[in-house]
Amino acid sequence: GQQVMQIPQYQHVQEGEDFTTYCNSSTTLSNIQWYKQRPGGHPVFLIQLVKSGEVKKQKRLTFQFGEAKKNSSLHITATQTTDVGTYFCAGPAAGGTSYGKLTFGQGTILTVHP
Amino acid sequence: DVKVTQSSRYLVKRTGEKVFLECVQDMDHENMFWYRQDPGLGLRLIYFSYDVKMKEKGDIPEGYSVSREKKERFSLILESASTNQTSMYLCASSLSVDGGSPLHFGNGTRLTVT
Repeated sequence: GQQVMQIPQYQHVQEGEDFTTYCNSSTTLSNIQWYKQRPGGHPVFLIQLVKSGEVKKQKRLTFQFGEAKKNSSLHITATQTTDVGTYFCAGPAAGGTSYGKLTFGQGTILTVHP
Repeated sequence: DVKVTQSSRYLVKRTGEKVFLECVQDMDHENMFWYRQDPGLGLRLIYFSYDVKMKEKGDIPEGYSVSREKKERFSLILESASTNQTSMYLCASSLSVDGGSPLHFGNGTRLTVT
């Protein structure tokens, strides 16, 4: 079945440093979604990328979707303590009917030291 | 704003008990999902439903069943709880069946089976 791998599993940074998490799918994705889960909270949708090679920015966050639509990355510039949490990528398999079902990566846990 | 409500935040049950986890969404979404979240494993899909009375197995359906009698309500049932079902359970809903809609999660139910 479809697998979505995410690295690294953990990342500790000093406040002000940059952070990147990478997501790789075993199958081509019709789209990729990114979610953030704060400690003690639930995953919250951040963004969706649809087009091959697409790049989107949200303030200090930059999201990329690979040319082959099998990988993606999230980059945070100059991390802040408010960025702490777990970042998940997720995607449905391309083709067929997924019924909205998403496969999630294992997540990257980001801690930021002030 | 979409609201997904899970009936319990914390639940403690004994091995062998029948357990019901309830989830209600208020946005007339077609799809509803049950995921479990365990450290290092990310979110794994248990069951999902794309219409009333319709259900599909996810990646880890063993030991679980579901019920969707009304569009807004999706129940997860543990027929005979076991200690390996101790986990965080997350309910989610999404608007459409094409995999292009973001998931809206409830706050989660942390289930402990003793």
